[in-house]
This record gives sequence, structure tokens and C-alpha cells, in this order.
Amino acid sequence: KNEVEQSPQNLTAQEGEFITINCSYSVGISALHWLQQHPGGGIVSLFMLSSGKKKHGRLIATINIQEKHSSLHITASHPRDSAVYICAVRGPPYNTDKLIFGTGTRLQVFP
Amino acid sequence: GAGVSQSPRYKVAKRGQDVALRCDPISGHVSLFWYQQALGQGPEFLTYFQNEAQLDKSGLPSDRFFAERPEGSVSTLKIQRTQQEDSAVYLCASSPRPIRGENTEAFFGQGTRLTVV
Repeated sequence: KNEVEQSPQNLTAQEGEFITINCSYSVGISALHWLQQHPGGGIVSLFMLSSGKKKHGRLIATINIQEKHSSLHITASHPRDSAVYICAVRGPPYNTDKLIFGTGTRLQVFP
Repeated sequence: GAGVSQSPRYKVAKRGQDVALRCDPISGHVSLFWYQQALGQGPEFLTYFQNEAQLDKSGLPSDRFFAERPEGSVSTLKIQRTQQEDSAVYLCASSPRPIRGENTEAFFGQGTRLTVV
């Protein structure tokens, strides 16, 4: 079993839909990252969370430490949101920034 | 530079050939990471440097993989006698000095896509 699991693996949506991507992890963590990866491109950090909720534009990320679960929400989705969204956690050892990644959720938003 | 820079962006190697992948981290970033991302998978940790010291190389898949960061800035990941299973995107990330108990952002490069034929 992977230490970081994401669901769904693939997601298609119509422009304007509300989207939720889920991440569950099994290790103790000091932080959780949501990252975006476009085809052929590098990875961009969207959020880093250790508790609660963060919002940036149409993106919202929440984390429940007790349940070891995080969600990434996209409101009013747009075709330019099409990308792979990756959840990554900073697990042990806690004195480094070493990340453990999920396998990603491939999102396609159609006009 | 403004971000983490990796070169080359794409590399095709014949099986058995040696390759060298370069990473220029953000200036002043002490921590540097290499990750390997196979097609359709999430990245997996290879190795970690703090300045010039390689503090963790537990993710290197075999002794054909070697990484260095001799002056604590630019890093090179070398793969000797490449095999087809080495085909992947190799990502470099840097971050400011990690302090125990503090969380810092990780900044990623565009990656090098290695194809071994």
C-alpha cells in the first residue's frame, strides 16, 4: 500500500463544474503539499498545509490531521485547469524537506 | 536565475551509454533534491543534499546512479550504463535551509525527460 493515496486517478469535468480531489496518507507528517504538473512541464507548488484550510483564487485546500486526509477543490473549473494534481507529504525524517508523493490525479476540463 | 533550471530538457541515450543531468537550484537554496518520475507515476525520492553534503541517498536505485554537488550549488545526477528501466523524468527541487519544526516550500525544475533506447 502506498503511503500517499489519491482519488480519483482520472477526472473529467465540464467547464464551470466544482471539482474535488482527495488525498489520504498513512504516515505522520509535518506538512502536506498540493502540486500541479502540466504535460511536459515541471511541477508548481499550489499549497503547503499543516492544518486547516487555505484559499488561493479558485483553489481551496483543506487538511484533517486526525483523519490523515486532505482535499483540493477547484471552483468554476476552466480548461486551463487541465493538469495532473499531485499530493505530497513531508514525512519522517522531519529534519529534511524530503517529500513522499501520491501518483497524481489527471484532470481534464472540457469547454 | 529566477527558478530551478535543469538541462537538458530531453535526452535520448542508447542502452549502455552514460548520461549526466544538471540542476541549477535557486541561488542561496541550501537543500537540493532529485526525484525520478516514471510515466504515469508520482515522483519518487532519489537523493538529498544539504549544501555539498549528500545526507540521504537511500532512493538511488542502483550503484549506476551517482549524484554530486561539489560546491553546494549546481548538482549533477549521473547514470552509468543506462538501462531501459531508467527511462523517466528526473526532477530537481530546491528549498531554503530546512529547520527542524519549520516547513519550507519546495521549488521544482522543469525536469529532464530521459529515454533509453
